[in-house]
Amino acid sequence: GQQLNQSPQSMFIQEGEDVSMNCTSSSIFNTWLWYKQDPGEGPVLLIALYKAGELTSNGRLTAQFGITRKDSFLNISASIPSDVGIYFCAGRRYGNKLVFGAGTILRVKS
Amino acid sequence: EPEVTQTPSHQVTQMGQEVILRCVPISNHLYFYWYRQILGQKVEFLVSFYNNEISEKSEIFDDQFSVERPDGSNFTLKIRSTKLEDSAMYFCASRGTGGYGYTFGSGTRLTVV
Repeated sequence: GQQLNQSPQSMFIQEGEDVSMNCTSSSIFNTWLWYKQDPGEGPVLLIALYKAGELTSNGRLTAQFGITRKDSFLNISASIPSDVGIYFCAGRRYGNKLVFGAGTILRVKS
Repeated sequence: EPEVTQTPSHQVTQMGQEVILRCVPISNHLYFYWYRQILGQKVEFLVSFYNNEISEKSEIFDDQFSVERPDGSNFTLKIRSTKLEDSAMYFCASRGTGGYGYTFGSGTRLTVV
């Protein structure tokens, strides 16, 4: 149904490495969003995608809206220690409701 | 940068008690939401609110839950008779008309004992 499968569940990488994570679904979504959540805080919007095939960057972050509209990926280039946190994808089909993925925990080893 | 403000940051309540969680959305936003996140789990949609009425709600948002915009700035979530399983982080969010990039507040951690 409207489940989002986010992978990987967690990553432990060296500072300076590039990171990639993705979300897939069996359903078509009309909007894809990527959020980052730090401990004890609310999700903070990183990138919003509105059209199939759209590729958008925000600094070292790049995200794409899959051409099938059933997936999206987020890349982080040259990771730094402050990139640690939980990254969530979220999708919107119709109306106002966002469906969230289970999150990717990113740990960076300096 | 405009923020969504939530109070209190942490609330502990006895099972069966009523709680009201408060939010001040971004001032020119028109769409308001409540989401919750049980510890270690994904963020879940509860309800959306537009033009002074609920526009969509999830199965979680049963008769024990209600929302209100009592004045031009506040947006509240009331849980009438709390249960242990209501323990979670509750996030308020708002958005304007320019897209679906919701802005979330920092959350209220509700602990039901």
